[in-house]
Amino acid sequence: DAGITQSPRHKVTETGTPVTLRCHQTENHRYMYWYRQDPGHGLRLIHYSYGVKDTDKGEVSDGYSVSRSKTEDFLLTLESATSSQTSVYFCAISDLGGNYEQYFGPGTRLTVT
Amino acid sequence: GDSVTQMEGPVTLSEEAFLTINCTYTATGYPSLFWYVQYPGEGLQLLLKATKADDKGSNKGFEATYRKETTSFHLEKGSVQVSDSAVYFCALSESTGNQFYFGTGTSLTVIP
Repeated sequence: DAGITQSPRHKVTETGTPVTLRCHQTENHRYMYWYRQDPGHGLRLIHYSYGVKDTDKGEVSDGYSVSRSKTEDFLLTLESATSSQTSVYFCAISDLGGNYEQYFGPGTRLTVT
Repeated sequence: GDSVTQMEGPVTLSEEAFLTINCTYTATGYPSLFWYVQYPGEGLQLLLKATKADDKGSNKGFEATYRKETTSFHLEKGSVQVSDSAVYFCALSESTGNQFYFGTGTSLTVIP
């Protein structure tokens, strides 16, 4: 199994509060991704990174920001959480990007009340 | 834009039944195609992949063939087991980009 951890695994927060989710990898893969999973939508890409300090937006990036200061860590921040951001968040990594497979972390279940 | 459409679930089968989960795609270039599986409470795991037309991906008794003429990548298994109960996602990735596109997932339940 690829060495990917996510923290926290579960979080309940109130509307309007900032939230940061962390993804940590031990594989030294170049590419890292944040997805959200919602019923009826499958997985949707929020942001991804193709190197340290290099990030780009995905399909559903509004309300989210990311940072990658080290190869092994990719942070997802909700600046002011809303109930529509209640979801399960998955981090993924890939060595070569493009059409190569991604490896997924265990997920973080976030509930915004 | 690129997209993946897979059959609606949930699907319920008896043990040893034949499984087909349909997946079709829309892409502008020459994508790679994937099937991922998600067991309850876990992240997605790669099940199989195919990187060019007519390739067949296979793993754990599951198979899927990359059909460019029908833009399809249907997942099949000849005899399902209770342990195959999970959610299955079809996905594509363009070689020119860094993004994956996932289908909405198909939930499979296999009953003894």
